Amino acid sequence: EDQVTQSPEALRLQEGESSSLNCSYTVSGLRGLFWYRQDPGKGPEFLFTLYSAGEEKEKERLKATLTKKESFLHITAPKPEDSATYLCACSNDYKLSFGAGTTVTVRA
Amino acid sequence: NAGVTQTPKFQVLKTGQSMTLQCAQDMNHEYMSWYRQDPGMGLRLIHYSVGAGITDQGEVPNGYNVSRSTTEDFPLRLLSAAPSQTSVYFCASSLRFGGNGYTFGSGTRLTVV
Repeated sequence: EDQVTQSPEALRLQEGESSSLNCSYTVSGLRGLFWYRQDPGKGPEFLFTLYSAGEEKEKERLKATLTKKESFLHITAPKPEDSATYLCACSNDYKLSFGAGTTVTVRA
Repeated sequence: NAGVTQTPKFQVLKTGQSMTLQCAQDMNHEYMSWYRQDPGMGLRLIHYSVGAGITDQGEVPNGYNVSRSTTEDFPLRLLSAAPSQTSVYFCASSLRFGGNGYTFGSGTRLTVV
């Protein structure tokens, strides 16, 4: 059975304190790994797609990387506006399997 | 562009009632899907469609029906609501499956009492 596990469940950071979120997966026939950001009361917002091991994508203070077993979302020098829940999802066939998310809180 | 529009935003149902959650997109996307989000469990796929007239079941389809008569609309029907269907429901679409990310609606928060 496909599984996507995110850790930690919650992360509290001081503004400027860099950190990483982990997404480990066991998915047969992985077609892509997605990262989303979700703010309270809103739908997930697309951030990145990674297709193969070794691939990296960057957007502002966020950088996503992919290996054969896991993906990392690195947050460099976070700001309070980076506070959100970050979701990881893997696709195969016609299904996206989501992890439960990591809730990041950045204090000023 | 409005993107993905879901209605209603909030709904309270009594056990046994039926209702339809609406989802519409104006981006000419082929792929549309419905997810439910429950605390600690992540988003789970209910049903999906790869084009008008084509639908299939996802991970948790029991108690829900869908149809796709047009490219734009993908309604989700609850046949006989149960407390276990209390959740937040999201509709998502993409140009094609596996494309560069899905666009999600803002969600419908459903409570079944």
